[in-house]
Amino acid sequence: QSALTQPASVSGSPGQSITISCTGTSSDVGSYNLVSWYQHHPGKAPKLMIYEVNKRPSGVSNRFSGSKSGNTASLTISGLQAEDEADYYCCSYAGSSTYVFGTGTKVTVL
Amino acid sequence: QVQLQESGPGLVKPSQTLSLTCTVSGGSMSSGPYYWSWIRQPAGKGLEWIGRIYTSGSTKYNPSLKSRVTISVDTSKNQFSLRLSSVTAADTAVYYCARLQMADAFDIWGQGTKVTVSS
Repeated sequence: QSALTQPASVSGSPGQSITISCTGTSSDVGSYNLVSWYQHHPGKAPKLMIYEVNKRPSGVSNRFSGSKSGNTASLTISGLQAEDEADYYCCSYAGSSTYVFGTGTKVTVL
Repeated sequence: QVQLQESGPGLVKPSQTLSLTCTVSGGSMSSGPYYWSWIRQPAGKGLEWIGRIYTSGSTKYNPSLKSRVTISVDTSKNQFSLRLSSVTAADTAVYYCARLQMADAFDIWGQGTKVTVSS
């Protein structure tokens, strides 16, 4: 059970769109539509942003969207804002009631 | 609304057992179809799922930690706990407790507690 692969960092200017990829295998991301995304400001509790690949919890901005193709899931942040600067983690169900997280991506707003 | 709070020693000696408790407030652990999980983050690294428990006591652990992990629940106290045995410096991390939805997403997290393994 290896960590899902994410780019270490992604940056964008305010108002732009950015996309964070999350690459797994046919045993996790590729097999289940159970990918979730978390926003983590250091020192705070992580926040659920997307679940079941593309669903947003109540209260999460519609600037955040998710998708999946094959073994790769993606999180897109549109209309980038300063408050979006944080670490982002994907997570996938990996079968047998287990879960695997991504390596994490630091988003910088230029 | 439901809140989670981790508690326990911040320093554990190598080879000893790390013990943490997560207290659930604002709602009963037994009120819904939720699992209760532990997740950790070593300094400078990503998140790692440790395991989860249902209020019935049914558990599932990360295969890489399974031999050293025990998660238990005390619904009368609205708490669940983590025990990690034979710790080494590699177990130094911020430990989070979280609620796991039936949609396989962690929707509520505690603030995290830092545990250092050192003599």
